[in-house]
Amino acid sequence: KQEVTQIPAALSVPEGENLVLNCSFTDSAIYNLQWFRQDPGKGLTSLLLIQSSQREQTSGRLNASLDKSSGRSTLYIAASQPGDSATYLCAVRVTSGTYKYIFGTGTRLKVLA
Amino acid sequence: DVKVTQSSRYLVKRTGEKVFLECVQDMDHENMFWYRQDPGLGLRLIYFSYDVKMKEKGDIPEGYSVSREKKERFSLILESASTNQTSMYLCASSLFAGKSNQPQHFGDGTRLSIL
Repeated sequence: KQEVTQIPAALSVPEGENLVLNCSFTDSAIYNLQWFRQDPGKGLTSLLLIQSSQREQTSGRLNASLDKSSGRSTLYIAASQPGDSATYLCAVRVTSGTYKYIFGTGTRLKVLA
Repeated sequence: DVKVTQSSRYLVKRTGEKVFLECVQDMDHENMFWYRQDPGLGLRLIYFSYDVKMKEKGDIPEGYSVSREKKERFSLILESASTNQTSMYLCASSLFAGKSNQPQHFGDGTRLSIL
């Protein structure tokens, strides 16, 4: 059974730091992995989607990598800003069944001004 | 931009009531999803639909049903609300693309309290 883990659960960094958020999954049979941002009391905003055949995706200050063989993905945020404060979730789409996504429980990021 | 709209941001109901949560998307997406989000448990899939009148159970369908009469609208129904259904409910949609990769887009959520 696929399990998705995000460690740490919470993280505080000073503004301007480059940081890495981690996502681990137990079964490498995935179609894709998606990173989301969630602000308090809100829904999820899609940040990046990496297909199983890809190694990384970039959008602005965000870079997500995928290593299927080791069951890991990282989200790299460059030059962090207070506006980046949010919970970041990863989700994998499994190959068994149809359209099933397994979510991690997220990393709560606080960027201090 | 894709817009997924959930009809209520906050809802308070009583145990035993029949509760309807509505979700509408404006991008002609085939797939629609209902999740609930609870602290420490993350998002869990309740039901999803890949076409009008088509549905499949997710991981936690017990106590819920769904309706998809039109492509743009996906309703979640709590047949007889119970206190353990107090949660944040999130609707999502995505474009059908066979086995290829399309991102999910989420609404702002409905925080439901059952008293």
